[in-house]
Amino acid sequence: QQQVKQSPQSLIVQKGGISIINCAYENTAFDYFPWYQQFPGKGPALLIAIRPDVSEKKEGRFTISFNKSAKQFSLHIMDSQPGDSATYFCAASLSGSARQLTFGSGTQLTVLP
Amino acid sequence: SQTIHQWPATLVQPVGSPLSLECTVEGTSNPNLYWYRQAAGRGLQLLFYSVGIGQISSEVPQNLSASRPQDRQFILSSKKLLLSDSGFYLCAWSVSVDQPQHFGDGTRLSIL
Repeated sequence: QQQVKQSPQSLIVQKGGISIINCAYENTAFDYFPWYQQFPGKGPALLIAIRPDVSEKKEGRFTISFNKSAKQFSLHIMDSQPGDSATYFCAASLSGSARQLTFGSGTQLTVLP
Repeated sequence: SQTIHQWPATLVQPVGSPLSLECTVEGTSNPNLYWYRQAAGRGLQLLFYSVGIGQISSEVPQNLSASRPQDRQFILSSKKLLLSDSGFYLCAWSVSVDQPQHFGDGTRLSIL
């Protein structure tokens, strides 16, 4: 019940295109859903996050769509750029004393110039 | 502003040797601290977390241990490394339970 399933494992998009990464969760008690971006040799950096009381959150070219009834959420990268090429992780956490994150397995995004 | 430091950046150790990885956070007090392991091509697995000095919670049984001797210092240790301990180890912190976690740049550990 703690699992977060992420797809696709890898994604190749042309410059200017839309990149879409999907995640699904099972535990309905999850109440915080962040997305992280990781470049090779670096730690993940928080990109954008959403709570289940909203269905969409947008920050610049990045949008999270959240479907509570389907227990799914997705990251949309509009006007994808070569600099967006990185590994993206979705995650989920429960309210609690430390907010332990459960991560998806990651999506390696390549944006072709 | 807050910063997190991890060292060393890379480490090559023989099987059976001890391990000590250090993480320190600057610019905040009483942070929540976390140790994650990332296997090649996979997501991050939470190993330990700490909400205060001397308070350590373990998420998975393993060959590793963690300690928090000071408010902003988090140490990952092992007495005898196994081949399966190879991976990318990441430390993270959050200012409170309702704030995001921020990661260091990690230590790549190779066991020979």
